[in-house]
Amino acid sequence: SYDLSQPLSVSVALGQTAKITCGGNNIGGRSVHWYQQRPGQAPILVIYKDVNRPSGIPERFSGSNSGNTATLTISRAQAADEADYYCQVWDSNNYVFGPGTEVAVL
Amino acid sequence: QVQLVQSGGGVVQPGRSLRLSCAASGFGLDGFVVHWVRQAPGKGLEWMSGFSYDGRKKYYAESVRGRFTISRGTSDDRVYLDMSRLTYEDTALYFCAIEVPLNGYYDQWGLGTLVTVSS
Repeated sequence: SYDLSQPLSVSVALGQTAKITCGGNNIGGRSVHWYQQRPGQAPILVIYKDVNRPSGIPERFSGSNSGNTATLTISRAQAADEADYYCQVWDSNNYVFGPGTEVAVL
Repeated sequence: QVQLVQSGGGVVQPGRSLRLSCAASGFGLDGFVVHWVRQAPGKGLEWMSGFSYDGRKKYYAESVRGRFTISRGTSDDRVYLDMSRLTYEDTALYFCAIEVPLNGYYDQWGLGTLVTVSS
């Protein structure tokens, strides 16, 4: 099975940039997707296929993927960005999620 | 945008069965690639089951294969998750989600339905 790793938590000052990493063996060769989940809510897709933003997602959210690390970047962080973030890949008819990263905006 | 409406959660004893339902508000789910994802209390997301892009195959996580069954209603355009031989570890919030066909990600999610396995 394919394993993904994420930092447990990331803190960012209001208006600054947060980077959330997702590690996996040669993850750069896979498509990585990112979801935001606010407390008590369903997940929302924020980045798909490494770098694409769905309609309605602010430009402050961006993604990259290379080597063994994919990264979700949140620029000009706002209080509303406080949430858990999960990376996800497809692997042999399994849909694998990372353990999630809690983002705190200070 | 599709609005997914979920139902069927509740409290169930260990070893018993439960059926979850997922419907689309205003129209049917026929033609949509529906999956189930769960989240145990305080834990992360865990994929459970889903249809292939053409609806011909069903896939299951190893942890539930043989106990959970995904299906489509024959007359009601819903998607079901039949769960049997439930254990305490199955306690979770269960989401249905729609996969973008052949792309491996979910662009629509239901609000979730809570399953609590308790004696």
